Amino acid sequence: DARVTQTPRDKVTEMGQEVTMRCQPILGHNTVFWYRQTMMQGLELLAYFRNRAPLDDSGMPKDRFSAEMPDATLATLKIQPSEPRDSAVYFCASAPALYNEQFFGPGTRLTVL
Amino acid sequence: ELKVEQNPLFLSMQEGKNYTIYCNYSTTSDRLYWYRQDPGKSLESLFVLLSNGAVKQEGRLMASLDTKARLSTLHITAAVHDLSATYFCAAPSGGGADGLTFGKGTHLIIQP
Repeated sequence: DARVTQTPRDKVTEMGQEVTMRCQPILGHNTVFWYRQTMMQGLELLAYFRNRAPLDDSGMPKDRFSAEMPDATLATLKIQPSEPRDSAVYFCASAPALYNEQFFGPGTRLTVL
Repeated sequence: ELKVEQNPLFLSMQEGKNYTIYCNYSTTSDRLYWYRQDPGKSLESLFVLLSNGAVKQEGRLMASLDTKARLSTLHITAAVHDLSATYFCAAPSGGGADGLTFGKGTHLIIQP
């Protein structure tokens, strides 16, 4: 059945290292979102794309985060350099063009030591 | 800036009881979403409410939307243990954007 997939599912890294998270949206969905979930801040929108074009990345720390969509089947979220405060679960979600119901992937649990 | 507030944030109830979770949002929106999250899991879409007066039901859960009051409710009827989870409401962040602003979630525990 159609699902959003994310890799890796878990990532432990040291402060200063580069982290890349990947997302494969549901086939045919043209809108892709990145959210971050922490206990303190809850769920926050980081960025989103429509038809591979970035529409809003105002939720992202620009100096260290970058989001891209190299093709319709792959979205990436990169953190360089990573910091302990980036520790969170990062969710990717995708939505079809018309109805905007967002379907979430399983998440990447990031721990930065 | 849109604010989405849920209450209560924590709820412990007994099986068989009825209860309502409230979701208030601060700016005009004609859409409201409800999600469920089990511990350590992803978010599962429950309801998408697309207009004023919209009401949707699935099993023991019923959601409604009053856009004039900027209020949505999630009603639980005759609760069962399997409904224990965290429930989030979310609204479009505004300005034509598709990204969602989420409430803090209602952590629901249903005890036998």
